[in-house]
Amino acid sequence: ETGVTQSPTHLIKTRGQQVTLRCSSQSGHNTVSWYQQALGQGPQFIFQYYREEENGRGNFPPRFSGLQFPNYSSELNVNALELDDSALYLCASSLVQGGIYEQYFGPGTRLTVT
Amino acid sequence: DAKTTQPNSMESNEEEPVHLPCNHSTISGTDYIHWYRQLPSQGPEYVIHGLTSNVNNRMASLAIAEDRKSSTLILHRATLRDAAVYYCILRDGTGTASKLTFGTGTRLQVTL
Repeated sequence: ETGVTQSPTHLIKTRGQQVTLRCSSQSGHNTVSWYQQALGQGPQFIFQYYREEENGRGNFPPRFSGLQFPNYSSELNVNALELDDSALYLCASSLVQGGIYEQYFGPGTRLTVT
Repeated sequence: DAKTTQPNSMESNEEEPVHLPCNHSTISGTDYIHWYRQLPSQGPEYVIHGLTSNVNNRMASLAIAEDRKSSTLILHRATLRDAAVYYCILRDGTGTASKLTFGTGTRLQVTL
């Protein structure tokens, strides 16, 4: 059983650019969530995808968007990058079953915006 | 979202038990209590969760107060590999949304 993987590991972008981060969920999981973790803080929920549709969103602007594919891999897209977008971006997959589940996190992508 | 309160940091000696407290006085009847931990340079890792009864697994035990307004994560024998930030999280058990609201957690230091 493979775990959650994310790519790339590190990324440097310039303010105003666009970025796409990728996540491959754990085998058999149907739900993926994305989190942003600033230095010294706990992760903050961005949004969740369940069966290819967004079904939960945190306090993030529309320039943060995502996709979930039929094979349950996922993308996080961020447009018009700002300096404050510099953070560790984590994806987590889970199997929603009976309303009780645990989330499995990937190692994250470290994004630096200059 | 219901809020949790944890100490910023705790220390423990290796091979001794560790009790990590969490207060959640505004917990609702449908909130599950989850614990995750984050080792340095890694994503968070699920530790344990419960609703009303105490829970045990291979990693830890979760003791939940009778009124559910507090809980304690118990590591029975701390090792150096248990040094991490431990997050106590309340998750609404209704619906499919898996939003976890992390606080700043408790940083556990384990020494020889």
